[in-house]
Amino acid sequence: DTAVSQTPKYLVTQMGNDKSIKCEQNLGHDTMYWYKQDSKKFLKIMFSYNNKELIINETVPNRFSPKSPDKAHLNLHINSLELGDSAVYFCASSQDQSGANVLTFGAGSRLTVL
Amino acid sequence: GQQVMQIPQYQHVQEGEDFTTYCNSSTTLSNIQWYKQRPGGHPVFLIQLVKSGEVKKQKRLTFQFGEAKKNSSLHITATQTTDVGTYFCAGRPLGTSYGKLTFGQGTILTVHP
Repeated sequence: DTAVSQTPKYLVTQMGNDKSIKCEQNLGHDTMYWYKQDSKKFLKIMFSYNNKELIINETVPNRFSPKSPDKAHLNLHINSLELGDSAVYFCASSQDQSGANVLTFGAGSRLTVL
Repeated sequence: GQQVMQIPQYQHVQEGEDFTTYCNSSTTLSNIQWYKQRPGGHPVFLIQLVKSGEVKKQKRLTFQFGEAKKNSSLHITATQTTDVGTYFCAGRPLGTSYGKLTFGQGTILTVHP
């Protein structure tokens, strides 16, 4: 059983389209995250939810909207896609939001905007 | 805001050589974590260091946390081709009950057989 699963794994789309990435974790964790990894491998946090509540919202264009229907799911919707949105998006989860938590990452969703 | 700098960005070694990556934070950290990402894969947790001056070993990997809790290093002895990948440090600022983990830029390790 995959602990943190994201779909789709690959996404190729045209500029201006809207797309969603879904994430689910079966670890019973309270906290979930979205990270963006650019072509230089830099990992940047975008959002974090703890038990369905938004706790971290980095400087991300408001074209990006996360949604957490329950603590096991965190989805990412992106409107009006731009070329610069091309990246690998990783979902992750941790036991809770406390200082010692360890991240478990999903396999990633590679988004290519043409 | 907090910054975590990691050097070198790239390292090419011959199999059997040693490798070290260094991580420096602009602020004091409560703990530091290390992750490894294989090519085409996702980051996987390796270890967490919490105490000032702490040293931990995992087989050929040695992790250190600086006395001031602002820097850390990962040393691999006698690299193998299975060590290839990107190594990330990630730190959390001291004094936060929770806080986002700030990742270093990563060190991409290539091991030539």
